[in-house]
Amino acid sequence: NAGVTQTPKFRVLKTGQSMTLLCAQDMNHEYMYWYRQDPGMGLRLIHYSVGEGTTAKGEVPDGYNVSRLKKQNFLLGLESAAPSQTSVYFCASSYGLTSEYNEQFFGPGTRLTVL
Amino acid sequence: AQSVTQPDIHITVSEGASLELRCNYSYGATPYLFWYVQSPGQGLQLLLKYFSGDTLVQGIKGFEAEFKRSQSSFNLRKPSVHWSDAAEYFCAVAIPTRMDSSYKLIFGSGTRLLVRP
Repeated sequence: NAGVTQTPKFRVLKTGQSMTLLCAQDMNHEYMYWYRQDPGMGLRLIHYSVGEGTTAKGEVPDGYNVSRLKKQNFLLGLESAAPSQTSVYFCASSYGLTSEYNEQFFGPGTRLTVL
Repeated sequence: AQSVTQPDIHITVSEGASLELRCNYSYGATPYLFWYVQSPGQGLQLLLKYFSGDTLVQGIKGFEAEFKRSQSSFNLRKPSVHWSDAAEYFCAVAIPTRMDSSYKLIFGSGTRLLVRP
């Protein structure tokens, strides 16, 4: 099993450009998450999904959109990138809280720089 | 509001010495607590978690953590640190969403561990 994979690993954008980050998981998890990690701030939740076709906002959703068209994939979009979106982005997936296998599994991250 | 505080930004210990990383949480209900480790350039790996029962939980790589409700703490410990333990450590609390049994994690800002030879 590959676990959680993220594409691309690195990206540099100019202000105003758009891009999509792809997250894929092969563990048949219902729940998927997008976080951003900034120095001194830990990880903050951007958006999450509780199943195919459903998404919800996290702590810092502004400037991002997401889609979950297939259970195994969770896409994060930046429509008009801004320098404040320079960050490392992590995707995660999990079973529900009531499952004994309830940890969130994380991908390796995407380092995004917006100039 | 729910929050997690890791008061130590950096900690340096000598190899072989004991380690304790502090974590305090703010959450009104029974907390579900996690410790994750992140090596440089890597994603996060779960060390251990507390859901209920025994307040002293054992994890991987020789780590343990103790949940103290009266102090709202979940400190991570290791009796003898190895050079390979140098990494960043994150404490998190799980907050149930209103949908199914899903949840979201609130993370602390992390503690970077440096290990002296």
